[in-house]
Amino acid sequence: AQRVTQPEKLLSVFKGAPVELKCNYSYSGSPELFWYVQYSRQRLQLLLRHISRESIKGFTADLNKGETSFHLKKPFAQEEDSAMYYCALKVHTDKLIFGTGTRLQVFP
Amino acid sequence: DGGITQSPKYLFRKEGQNVTLSCEQNLNHDAMYWYRQDPGQGLRLIYYSQIVNDFQKGDIAEGYSVSREKKESFPLTVTSAQKNPTAFYLCASSSHGGSNEKLFFGSGTQLSVL
Repeated sequence: AQRVTQPEKLLSVFKGAPVELKCNYSYSGSPELFWYVQYSRQRLQLLLRHISRESIKGFTADLNKGETSFHLKKPFAQEEDSAMYYCALKVHTDKLIFGTGTRLQVFP
Repeated sequence: DGGITQSPKYLFRKEGQNVTLSCEQNLNHDAMYWYRQDPGQGLRLIYYSQIVNDFQKGDIAEGYSVSREKKESFPLTVTSAQKNPTAFYLCASSSHGGSNEKLFFGSGTQLSVL
């Protein structure tokens, strides 16, 4: 079955602490994975994709095919990182499925 | 702002009534999507369309219908067969493939049952 699992509904950290938002996937094909973010009162938007191997706003995510994971990491959290984060998996051309999301709260 | 526009922002449905949610994009994107967002369940795909006059069911298509008569428009009808329609509905669009492929989302429509 094709599935994206985000085990944490809420993750709370203090400013400056490291952050890791977990994402695991189930897919028999070659996965393409993404992280989308929704800040308060803003639209859902792409944060990063594994194929680009990029770092956006200090966030990185590495695809681990052995563990079927695509965890999102940031070494030092900032208050402006507080948002809802969704992991997404592309299963067919133009079809994207999402996880249930993790709310990140960064306290001052 | 331009891009992808959903209307109305809030919509109320009476029992047994069909309602239609509007989604328009001016990004010249071929693909368009409808997702349903429920607390604790993330985004679930209802329908998607890769090209005009063609669309495919997503994971939770029952009780919904769509049309794609124009490239820029992808309206979603919530029919009376959908027994639990109260949710936040998100429309999105994307261009096909390529290294810049990503979904652009609308601001959403909150549907509630009276």
